[in-house]
Amino acid sequence: SSELTQDPAVSVALGQTVRITCQGDSLRSYFASWYQQKPGQAPVIVMYAKDNRPSGIPDRFSGSSSGNTASLTITGAQAEDEAHYYCNSRDSSGNLVVFGGGTRLTVL
Amino acid sequence: HLQESGPGLVKPSETLSLTCSVSGGSISSGNYYWGWIRQPPGKGLEWVGNIFYNGRTYYNPSLKSRVAIKMDMSKNQFSLKLTSVTAADTAVYYCARRAVVTADFDFWGQGTLVIVSS
Repeated sequence: SSELTQDPAVSVALGQTVRITCQGDSLRSYFASWYQQKPGQAPVIVMYAKDNRPSGIPDRFSGSSSGNTASLTITGAQAEDEAHYYCNSRDSSGNLVVFGGGTRLTVL
Repeated sequence: HLQESGPGLVKPSETLSLTCSVSGGSISSGNYYWGWIRQPPGKGLEWVGNIFYNGRTYYNPSLKSRVAIKMDMSKNQFSLKLTSVTAADTAVYYCARRAVVTADFDFWGQGTLVIVSS
């Protein structure tokens, strides 16, 4: 399968913890990356190769993976974390690229 | 730094052509793919295709019959051509760099909106 499935929307109370998930068969073989996109802006990478955080990304962001599911966790969500989040990986062949449909995160 | 350029308006059935200019690094590096991703208004990200320094290309199967990505090493640019466009091809088009080892898109252009309309 070449699909990655995400929940369309998730909400979290300010300061609480939220997990955003991404499911797909290819995740059994390949790591996921995660991107944050705010309105009118280009996506920004927040996690790569499952659990690696680029420089400048706060340590409240963490990544994990189990079986066919990759997760992005925000521990102590802040108002500025409100955005769309997209997962990304290879397809099952390893040669092509797939994106999840995106999760809209609302911080209450 | 990556910067997209090209017409913002294309007529139906014509060819969409965009260029991505890369600065701060060479597209001839074997450590990266160079790719295009698009986003229709109000919708999610869709991978269009990638090109490697040796010219090898990889395309989204849903677009493969209409898309071509090429490199111009002398200008440190790569380009996208999408033929026979329809309104469904209206989107913000991003160029991005994809790491070979970790397979993530680590740098993105700001994006350019292309509208398909007569």
